[in-house]
Order: sequence, then structure tokens, then C-alpha cells
Amino acid sequence: KQEVTQIPAALSVPEGENLVLNCSFTDSAIYNLQWFRQDPGKGLTSLLLIQSSQREQTSGRLNASLDKSSGRSTLYIAASQPGDSATYLCAVRGNDMRFGAGTRLTVKP
Amino acid sequence: EAQVTQNPRYLITVTGKKLTVTCSQNMNHEYMSWYRQDPGLGLRQIYYSMNVEVTDKGDVPEGYKVSRKEKRNFPLILESPSPNQTSLYFCASSLRPPKGGDYGYTFGSGTRLTVV
Repeated sequence: KQEVTQIPAALSVPEGENLVLNCSFTDSAIYNLQWFRQDPGKGLTSLLLIQSSQREQTSGRLNASLDKSSGRSTLYIAASQPGDSATYLCAVRGNDMRFGAGTRLTVKP
Repeated sequence: EAQVTQNPRYLITVTGKKLTVTCSQNMNHEYMSWYRQDPGLGLRQIYYSMNVEVTDKGDVPEGYKVSRKEKRNFPLILESPSPNQTSLYFCASSLRPPKGGDYGYTFGSGTRLTVV
């Protein structure tokens, strides 16, 4: 059964820093990996979708990488802003969809 | 606008009083799923549906029912809610089922349910 782990569980950084969020999974037989953003009490907004054949995807200040063989993905956020404060979840799509518990990010002004 | 719509957004109910949370998508997606989200546990799948009239249990199906009579709708039914079903619920849809699919998920805005 696929297990997805996100480290760290929480992260607090000053505004302007570049940061990396980590996601690891136990079964490398996946079709894609998706990063989501969740604001408190709200739904999940898709940020990036990386297909299994891809190594990375970029959207604005966000860059997500995928190393399927080692079971890892990273979400890189450049020049962080207070508006980036949210919980970030990764989800791995294999025979089913498995979610990590998320990393709660706080960006301080 | 392509979206998944859940209703209600917030619900407070009493133990044992049957309730239904609706979910509707306008993207002609085959696959729909219900999750609950609890602190420290992440999202756990309750039920899913591969297509009309095809539903199956996820990881935590006890105390829940679903139906898929139409492609766009996938209601979640709690026949006799209990306090341990207090949670944040999400409906999600995808063009195809997870296995063999290169498609992402679209989520509804969530339903916060409190059972007292």
C-alpha cells in the first residue's frame, strides 16, 4: 500500500526566502504526482501536476520536481510572500490516489 | 467554469439524524471520490465511483453510503451520524480513474460537518 510522507510538518520562514517542501512515497509505480495548496478551512487548489515521464513542472514562482526511482518530489517556492502561507499537500496517483498529511507553511512579513 | 460543487459548506447536526452532502461536477468526469480530512491524518478516502452505478469502498467507509445514479452527482449519505464523523469532507473528481490515468484531481470547496 502506497504511503506518502511530507517533511517538514510545519515551516516558518521570513518573507523573501526560497524554500523547499519535500514529499516521499514508498511505491515508485505511479502515473503522476500532484501538488495542492489548502488555505485554512478551505478546499484544495491544484498547483502543479507532474506526469511520471516528466522530471519537473514550473508555474510562476513554483517549481516541482519528481524523482520516481527514489520516490521523491520537491516543491520549490522562490521569493516567498506572506500570501504563500497555507498548507501544501502532495498526492501520488498509482492504483489509487494517496495524500501526504501536508506541510503547513507560514511566511512572516 | 469547470468545478466541483459541494453543499452545504457548513453543517451542524445531532447524533442519529440522517443527512446528505451533495457533490456535483460539470466536467463529464468518470471518476468521483469522497474524502475526509482530520488533523494529523491527512485525507482518507471514504468511497469512490468509477462511473455511473459503480461504487466501491475506500479506506474508511464505515457509517457512510453513496450513490451514483447520474454521472455528474455523487452524494454522501450519513444514515445515523455520530460525533466521530465530525470532520472536513471533500468531494473530488477526475476524468478517468486513478489507475492508468494521467489526469489530475479537481476538488470541491469542502463541507465542515459537526455532529453533536
